[in-house]
Amino acid sequence: EAQVTQNPRYLITVTGKKLTVTCSQNMNHEYMSWYRQDPGLGLRQIYYSMNVEVTDKGDVPEGYKVSRKEKRNFPLILESPSPNQTSLYFCASGLGGAALAFFGQGTRLTVV
Amino acid sequence: AQSVTQPDIHITVSEGASLELRCNYSYGATPYLFWYVQSPGQGLQLLLKYFSGDTLVQGIKGFEAEFKRSQSSFNLRKPSVHWSDAAEYFCAVSSGGATNKLIFGTGTLLAVQP
Repeated sequence: EAQVTQNPRYLITVTGKKLTVTCSQNMNHEYMSWYRQDPGLGLRQIYYSMNVEVTDKGDVPEGYKVSRKEKRNFPLILESPSPNQTSLYFCASGLGGAALAFFGQGTRLTVV
Repeated sequence: AQSVTQPDIHITVSEGASLELRCNYSYGATPYLFWYVQSPGQGLQLLLKYFSGDTLVQGIKGFEAEFKRSQSSFNLRKPSVHWSDAAEYFCAVSSGGATNKLIFGTGTLLAVQP
């Protein structure tokens, strides 16, 4: 089954404790992206990757890092999480061009 | 800069009634346009997309959308709503190209009354 898998689905952590949210896709997509969703703001792009070892900032990259060492994986790293990073995070992948057809189930992160 | 406006934050319709969700975009050229649906606790599912050609686009689950260049709109419609359609709906625009960035609206939450 074609899918984008994020882990964990839910996470509560404390300020400053480094964490990683994993994202994996099984469709051999070149393009992957991370979004955060906040009430009243919709989804905003954090980082994206057009291929292995090629990543770039989206609209809200501050406080986040990503890496793309393999085509299927695109982890999101919060080196020192802060409460303003409490949000619902989505990973997405696609074939490139315009359509991001596949989103993960989301990771709800709470930073206290 | 590209932007997407969904003027209705929350809409309630009766089951079996017709539905129209509004979406207006701001973009210099013809954009790529999308509608996604997010059911509670779920990720986003692509309902339909418009790239070019016929301005009336058919999607999954009985939804359709019409691109109107003169009004910069891409409204989503369904002739008869089912209770399972209760969800949040997002309109999005992309310039396509290498960056492939989607700009999302703030969403419209649809409630369906029995």
